[in-house]
Amino acid sequence: AQTVTQSQPEMSVQEAETVTLSCTYDTSESDYYLFWYKQPPSRQMILVIRQEAYKQQNATENRFSVNFQKAAKSFSLKISDSQLGDAAMYFCAYRGMEYGNKLVFGAGTILRVKS
Amino acid sequence: KAGVTQTPRYLIKTRGQQVTLSCSPISGHRSVSWYQQTPGQGLQFLFEYFSETQRNKGNFPGRFSGRQFSNSRSEMNVSTLELGDSALYLCASSLDSTTNTQYFGPGTRLTVL
Repeated sequence: AQTVTQSQPEMSVQEAETVTLSCTYDTSESDYYLFWYKQPPSRQMILVIRQEAYKQQNATENRFSVNFQKAAKSFSLKISDSQLGDAAMYFCAYRGMEYGNKLVFGAGTILRVKS
Repeated sequence: KAGVTQTPRYLIKTRGQQVTLSCSPISGHRSVSWYQQTPGQGLQFLFEYFSETQRNKGNFPGRFSGRQFSNSRSEMNVSTLELGDSALYLCASSLDSTTNTQYFGPGTRLTVL
């Protein structure tokens, strides 16, 4: 069974608009960490945002915010005021003791930004 | 602080050869993890080293091995290369081997002919 699922292989957004990328995960733990990483064409993996499961408050980093629904095991990323530089592959990742503390990645979502 | 560095950035090898990739973590980070990224399999965990000890290993054949030195730098070795080993190999460092954030290097693109 897939541990981390990103159901949207590809998304498009108009510049300055808002887009939400979806991610669901499977775990039996109550304490774990979730991440969104961005991989532009350069292939450098860049941390976008991190969420600790024990924190109820949704993480925010400038134009990037998450909607963390622990009971539903859902962790979506919202990008506001989209910019051309946001175009990249976005990976959702889980890290917890259940999987030996390694990062477990989803398949990724390609985000295209139209000008 | 300087980020994670990986050398070389690009490598072309032929089947049967072996290859060594190097990773220098962010200063002060003691944990180094390796991932393989391919179009077909996505991102897969290879192994993690902390304080020169392998802490975790992914589901890869024994041809894939690694080590970590006392300065936290890590090397990954692949012996008897196969065409399917062509991939982007990413190294990530973190403060320790718990759930701290992992920061990635630029990767090494390996092509096996």
